[in-house]
Amino acid sequence: IAGITQAPTSQILAAGRRMTLRCTQDMRHNAMYWYRQDLGLGLRLIHYSNTAGTTGKGEVPDGYSVSRANTDDFPLTLASAVPSQTSVYFCASRSELGGGSPLHFGNGTRLTVT
Amino acid sequence: SQQGEEDPQALSIQEGENATMNCSYKTSINNLQWYRQNSGRGLVHLILIRSNEREKHSGRLRVTLDTSKKSSSLLITASRAADTASYFCATDSEGNKLVFGAGTILRVKS
Repeated sequence: IAGITQAPTSQILAAGRRMTLRCTQDMRHNAMYWYRQDLGLGLRLIHYSNTAGTTGKGEVPDGYSVSRANTDDFPLTLASAVPSQTSVYFCASRSELGGGSPLHFGNGTRLTVT
Repeated sequence: SQQGEEDPQALSIQEGENATMNCSYKTSINNLQWYRQNSGRGLVHLILIRSNEREKHSGRLRVTLDTSKKSSSLLITASRAADTASYFCATDSEGNKLVFGAGTILRVKS
C-alpha cells in the first residue's frame, strides 16, 4: 500500500543520547516535512525538503537535523536529546510545489526523552 | 508563532447536528487546507480552498474563506459519531511550508 512509513512507532530515550527517526515514502513525492505535535500547540514544522538534495528550516529547527539523499527517505536526527523534545513526530509528503497539493502523513513516532 | 488559530478549542454536539469550526490566520496565503486527525493517527486531508475561492463543498463538508478577514470556517452537516476527531486548518504560503493551527477537538455524541 502506497504511503509513508515512520519508524520506530515509539521510543523511550535517555537525555543526551542520539536518535534518528526514519521516514520513507513510496509515492515519489518531491516535498517532505517533519512536524512535532504537542498538546495544545498543534503541529509545528521542524524541517522540510522541497526536493532531493535540499532542506530548509521550519518553525522549531533547533536541536534537530535532516538530510535528503534521495526522493524516498527523509530521516530526522536528534543529536543530543533533551526532555523538551518529548513529543509525537509526524513525517509528511506532497507531490507539488506551490500548487496547493495536500499533505500525506505517516502515523507518527511517539518519543519520550527521560 | 503559528499562522492559523482555530476556535473553538473543543466542541461537543449531538449526532445529527451541524458542527462549525473557525480558523483565523495572519499573513497572505495561496490556499488553506483542513485536516482531520483521529486519536493516535496521522492527519488526513479533507479539503483545500484556494485564495481566489470563497466557498467549497465536499460531501457533508462546506468550507468558506474570507481573505479580507483572514478567516475560514469548516461546517460539517448532519454529524455522525464517526466524525469525532480533531480538526486542523493549515495555511499554504510562500516557501512551500504548510503551517498548522492548534486544532479543534470535536466530539459527536450518539
